[in-house]
Amino acid sequence: DTAVSQTPKYLVTQMGNDKSIKCEQNLGHDTMYWYKQDSKKFLKIMFSYNNKELIINETVPNRFSPKSPDKAHLNLHINSLELGDSAVYFCASSQADPGNSRGYTFGSGTRLTVV
Amino acid sequence: GESVGLHLPTLSVQEGDNSIINCAYSNSASDYFIWYKQESGKGPQFIIDIRSNMDKRQGQRVTVLLNKTVKHLSLQIAATQPGDSAVYFCAENMRAAGKSTFGDGTTLTVKP
Repeated sequence: DTAVSQTPKYLVTQMGNDKSIKCEQNLGHDTMYWYKQDSKKFLKIMFSYNNKELIINETVPNRFSPKSPDKAHLNLHINSLELGDSAVYFCASSQADPGNSRGYTFGSGTRLTVV
Repeated sequence: GESVGLHLPTLSVQEGDNSIINCAYSNSASDYFIWYKQESGKGPQFIIDIRSNMDKRQGQRVTVLLNKTVKHLSLQIAATQPGDSAVYFCAENMRAAGKSTFGDGTTLTVKP
């Protein structure tokens, strides 16, 4: 009955590899997001999708490509991984207007380590 | 002049004391604000929100104060408990922007 689930929880990979992180929400929310949290705990938005349509793309390198096959899923594919990509990546979802709901519901994060 | 609390990256309090966590936001057009709590190994969780037309909102053991004049938010936690130990974030939101912008977190440690 997990609301926002993302897999894997941990991902260790070598530089140059390509990897994907998957996210699913069962809350019926219209909007999904990817946030990146760095080692200083700073959270920065990367992408948002509303009903499968890209809404926000925050100057993220084009090695990062989100894909939303339906409004309950938002996956993140990363090509040619670099050391600086190491971080915790959070998926989140919300109603179309988070101001009329309880903000975002976050997944538990994927800790990506690039070696 | 009015005294506004500084944002501190870490805060340590004794169990049972009250905690005050401060946050400065940047956009005077933000129309609602949310406080989140992030426990170790988990994603941030909603605690309480406040609209820009309010200056105070109370929840269970938590109170959020909003000072739009100086673009400042605070989260007050009454009778702090060990389970309150976490990183706390404020987030400012503008409906037109469709996203939350998070402030720098504050790590709260509660000493028994």
